[in-house]
Order: sequence, then structure tokens, then C-alpha cells
Amino acid sequence: GEDVEQSLFLSVREGDSSVINCTYTDSSSTYLYWYKQEPGAGLQLLTYIFSNMDMKQDQRLTVLLNKKDKHLSLRIADTQTGDSAIYFCAETISGGYQKVTFGIGTKLQVIP
Amino acid sequence: DVKVTQSSRYLVKRTGEKVFLECVQDMDHENMFWYRQDPGLGLRLIYFSYDVKMKEKGDIPEGYSVSREKKERFSLILESASTNQTSMYLCASSSPTSGAIDTQYFGPGTRLTVL
Repeated sequence: GEDVEQSLFLSVREGDSSVINCTYTDSSSTYLYWYKQEPGAGLQLLTYIFSNMDMKQDQRLTVLLNKKDKHLSLRIADTQTGDSAIYFCAETISGGYQKVTFGIGTKLQVIP
Repeated sequence: DVKVTQSSRYLVKRTGEKVFLECVQDMDHENMFWYRQDPGLGLRLIYFSYDVKMKEKGDIPEGYSVSREKKERFSLILESASTNQTSMYLCASSSPTSGAIDTQYFGPGTRLTVL
């Protein structure tokens, strides 16, 4: 079955890089996503990676995918206080209806 | 710009009351979802719908029902609210596109407290 795991909490200093990690169990994942939830708001798609890619970079964000180890990471360079939020890893399984399975979310705290 | 709205941001109800949570999306999306979000448990799918009048159980449907009479509106119903249904409820919508990502667009959430 599908299972997506993440650590609950990460604290970094402003200006440092943040790395949020995620592991998933289903090898038939097609897309893997990172969603961001700011305080008091719903989730917003931050970035995604297709399962046949190893890396994707988008400005300060770098997504790394290790398919062999079923490990996904999100690196935020030059972390800012506005990056403080909960980050959810998610996956879509191919075939039939595309249900999205979310991890429990990692709360990123940026210390000024 | 996709917009998903939820009828209330905060709601307080009493045990045993019937509760309606409404969600409306304006992008003509086929798929709509109801999740609940609890600390340490993340998002758990309650019900989803992939078409008008169609519904499918998610991972935790017990104690809930849904209604999708119109494409843009998806309602979550708590027939008899209980204290363990105190939670943040998130609605989302998406449009299935073959070979493309299935981005879910979320509403701001309804924080429900059952006393």
C-alpha cells in the first residue's frame, strides 16, 4: 500500500539551507510533490518531480529523487522567515483514478 | 486563478448536531476531495468525488457523508457530530489530465470544534 513518511519538525537559521526529507513505499509512483501550508491557510503546490527524473531545480528550490531508495528531498537555499510553514510530501500512483497520498507534514521553523 | 472556497473558517457545534461543510470551486474541476488535518497525522482523505452525483470513500469515511449535486459544489455532512470530529477540514479540487501532474487546489480550511 501507499505510505509517505516525513519527520515532524525542522529548525534552521535564516540564510542557511533547509533540507526536508521524505520516504515513500510505492514504487509505481508517477509524480511526487511538495506542498506548502502557511499558517491558517490551505495547501499550495510548491513543486513536483516526475518519477523518471533525478533532480529538479526551481530558483531557491531543489528537489532530489532517489528512486532506488524511494527517497525524496526538498532543499531550500538561503532560507527566509517567510519560508516558515508546514511542508507536505505527496505522491500520485499511476493507473485508474489518481489518488494523491500525503505525508504528515514537516514544520519548518526559520530562526531570524 | 483557481479559487476553492469553504463556507466557514471557524465553526463550533454541539455533540449530536448535524453539520454541513460546503466547498465551492470555480475552475470546472471534475474531482473534489474532503480531508481532515490533525497534528501528527497529516491529511487524511475522507471522501472524494470524480463527477456529479458520484462519490467514493477515502481512508476515514466513518461518521461522514457527502453530496455532489452540482459540479462546482461538494458538501461534507456530519450526521451526528462527535468530539473526535473536532479537526481542520480541507476541501480540494483537481482536474485529471492524462500524462500531466494532478495538482490539487485547496481551500483555506474550516476549523470545526465539537463541544
